Amino acid sequence: HSALTQPASVSGSPGQSITISCSGTSTDIGAYNYVSWYQQHPGKVPKLMVYHVSNRPSGISNRFSGSKSGNTASLTISGLQADDEADYYCSSHTGGGAYVFGTGTEVTVL
Amino acid sequence: QVQLVQSGAEVREPGASVKVSCKASEDTFDSHFMHWVREAPGQGLEWMGVVNPSGGTAGYAQKFRGRVTMTRDTSTRTLYLEVSSLRSEDTAVYYCARDSSSGWFSVDVWGKGTTVIVSS
Repeated sequence: HSALTQPASVSGSPGQSITISCSGTSTDIGAYNYVSWYQQHPGKVPKLMVYHVSNRPSGISNRFSGSKSGNTASLTISGLQADDEADYYCSSHTGGGAYVFGTGTEVTVL
Repeated sequence: QVQLVQSGAEVREPGASVKVSCKASEDTFDSHFMHWVREAPGQGLEWMGVVNPSGGTAGYAQKFRGRVTMTRDTSTRTLYLEVSSLRSEDTAVYYCARDSSSGWFSVDVWGKGTTVIVSS
């Protein structure tokens, strides 16, 4: 499986909402409701923000929301804050117990 | 919360092998899937494979089959990743990661990473 396709960068002003897309195929995103989103600040380990398409782990702000339509998943960050500036990666189950990450998106808070 | 402590940085020549370890602070391998993920310099995250809690069998990304081996020792609560026939493109930070009880790659605990440098 090739990496899922994400925009290289997305930016927004504080308080605004942004959406990061994650494009896959009918054999990964389109086939399973097992899409996760990870946030990674520079030099840090990834942090789970959304799992199973739209579920938030305990402690994750409701400003982060996930969705899926067909072969594309999305992560929306509302009320953008300075600390949201980071890299974001989607991932999806691809069948047979395997997974694939997206290409990653750098979020900039203007 | 369980902690995953990884082994220190390694430097290897091309063609050599490397074995990275990941020790858990409490019993977790029998109840959680354990993944290995790597991040090459300036690149994104790459899923390498997973160790099943039932029996410790491993599944690998197609790219790594035949060159990567993931094992565990439940008596010492240690997970291992061995990569053979190393090439420069294998230079990366290697992370072990625990799937949450929700499963399906909803990772809730990460090791701090092990840097592997492949250079002659």
